[in-house]
Amino acid sequence: DIQLTQSPSFLSASVGDRVTITCRASQGISSYLAWYQQKPGKAPEVLIYAASTLQSGVPSRFSGSGSGTEFTLTISSLQPEDFATYFCQQLNSYPLTFGGGTKVEIK
Amino acid sequence: QVQLVESEGGLVKAGGSLRLSCAASGFTFSDYYMTWIRQAPGKGLEWVSCISTTSSYTNYADSVKGRFTISRDNAKNSLYLQMNSLRAEDTAVYYCARYDTSSWNFDAWGQGTLVTVSS
Repeated sequence: DIQLTQSPSFLSASVGDRVTITCRASQGISSYLAWYQQKPGKAPEVLIYAASTLQSGVPSRFSGSGSGTEFTLTISSLQPEDFATYFCQQLNSYPLTFGGGTKVEIK
Repeated sequence: QVQLVESEGGLVKAGGSLRLSCAASGFTFSDYYMTWIRQAPGKGLEWVSCISTTSSYTNYADSVKGRFTISRDNAKNSLYLQMNSLRAEDTAVYYCARYDTSSWNFDAWGQGTLVTVSS
């Protein structure tokens, strides 16, 4: 199984900050990686797919990069509505797996 | 708009069974793979199972293989998850989601339904 390791697991930041979250895969997954945002009590929503493609309707302050085993999600200027938990997911092979999550909280 | 609505979960005793359903609307259901994901209280996301458009292909997480069965009825625009031999560790919110295999992501999710397994 492919393991995804997200770092950090917790992040405290201020509105306007640039935030970067890393996701490392235990083996190469090409660009079969998606990023999701989940707010408390809600279902996750996709932000980025194919490692760097912005889902329709997602603000352009979100961006993704990487391929192979190392990936990043960047929020260029954190907004109040961005405080949430973020998960990466690999869709290269079964079983499909998620990273452990990164909780972004207000400093 | 795309909508996925899971049936109510519930409380079930360990060893028991429960069937979840997911009603889809707002898109051509038969064109998409579908999937189930779960989230234990306060924990991360765990992929459970997926099914191809014509039900010819299914796949399961090792943690549920042999106990859970995914199925779909394209005529009814519905997805199902039959859960047998339930364990305490199956306690979670269960989400159904649309699996877009052209862009490789779960691009629409239901609101989730809580399944609690008591020991």
